[in-house]
Amino acid sequence: NAGVTQTPKFRVLKTGQSMTLLCAQDMNHEYMYWYRQDPGMGLRLIHYSVGEGTTAKGEVPDGYNVSRLKKQNFLLGLESAAPSQTSVYFCASSYSTTGTSGSGVQFFGPGTRLTVL
Amino acid sequence: EDQVTQSPEALRLQEGESSSLNCSYTVSGLRGLFWYRQDPGKGPEFLFTLYSAGEEKEKERLKATLTKKESFLHITAPKPEDSATYLCAVQARNGYALNFGKGTSLLVTP
Repeated sequence: NAGVTQTPKFRVLKTGQSMTLLCAQDMNHEYMYWYRQDPGMGLRLIHYSVGEGTTAKGEVPDGYNVSRLKKQNFLLGLESAAPSQTSVYFCASSYSTTGTSGSGVQFFGPGTRLTVL
Repeated sequence: EDQVTQSPEALRLQEGESSSLNCSYTVSGLRGLFWYRQDPGKGPEFLFTLYSAGEEKEKERLKATLTKKESFLHITAPKPEDSATYLCAVQARNGYALNFGKGTSLLVTP
């Protein structure tokens, strides 16, 4: 099993350009998440999905859109990139969010390093 | 508002020198407290989940403990390969997100 994969690994954009980050998981997980990680700050949730066809806003959703057309994929879009969106983006997935059996554990991908000039 | 504070920000140990990392938290109903390890340029790697005060879990040289206000990650006789950033996160009963602390950067020298 590959776990959680992300493409691309690195990307440089100019202000105003758009792009889509792709996350894929092969663990049959229901829940998927997009976080961003910035120096001096903890990981912050951008958007999440509780199942195929659903999406919801997290802590820092402005400037981003997401889609979950297939259970195994979760896409993060930037319609008009801004320098403030320079960050490392991590996708995660979990089987559920409840229980003490470990089914709520979130597994992370390797990240996408995005620079917006 | 849920808050997670990790201390120290950075820790340098000699190989074999045991120590503890602290994670203080406030959360409206704890669903779980999570410890992750993150190596430079990589995603967080899951270590432990703790669900209730008094719970302890161990893995090799690492042991995590939980009280009602904080968690400790004890590192016994660390090796250079234990060098990494250790992240603590809490999940509230009514939420989906993991609320992360800023992490403790650990360096173990030979």
